[in-house]
Amino acid sequence: DQQVKQNSPSLSVQEGRISILNCDYTNSMFDYFLWYKKYPAEGPTFLISISSIKDKNEDGRFTVFLNKSAKHLSLHIVPSQPGDSAVYFCAGNMRFGAGTRLTVKP
Amino acid sequence: DAGVIQSPRHEVTEMGQEVTLRCKPISGHDYLFWYRQTMMRGLELLIYFNNNVPIDDSGMPEDRFSAKMPNASFSTLKIQPSEPRDSAVYFCASSPRAGDSNQPQHFGDGTRLSIL
Repeated sequence: DQQVKQNSPSLSVQEGRISILNCDYTNSMFDYFLWYKKYPAEGPTFLISISSIKDKNEDGRFTVFLNKSAKHLSLHIVPSQPGDSAVYFCAGNMRFGAGTRLTVKP
Repeated sequence: DAGVIQSPRHEVTEMGQEVTLRCKPISGHDYLFWYRQTMMRGLELLIYFNNNVPIDDSGMPEDRFSAKMPNASFSTLKIQPSEPRDSAVYFCASSPRAGDSNQPQHFGDGTRLSIL
């Protein structure tokens, strides 16, 4: 069973605009959620995390929002840059979503 | 510092052959994870170890798959016999300390496995 779901396989945005990547989860016991970024031929690398007791965490251009009642979280990247083009994975307690491929066009 | 090291980077073999994937975690990390990435299912957790002891192997697809961690610096994932549907990218990851789900995992660059 997929406890973490990323329903959008891909997203394309223009450089300088906001990118919003979404993630849904089913397990209410997750106490942390993490986002990872993956470039081709490399392993995922940690990007940002959020505790389940918070609703927002910000790190530079990256902000993660958590809506516990909806079991939904989102990653906002603003402004988006071409170097942000990668696959983004949402994870809760070692369980990963399928990933969303972000393409940022110059 | 050296990251998680996986070998081989690529493996192409024929159906029915035994495949062994290797992983060296980051020194001092107590947790080691094996994942499989496919287009359909994304990143699936296969098994993870804590202090060399398997904790959860519920993600291992079937008996053809086995994983060992004989010491803190080495782990293997074996598939015997291999089948074409096992073709995927296999990742190993490690994380520091125990029991803290806020500790991000550090991934190797993966092994791309192709079973013909």
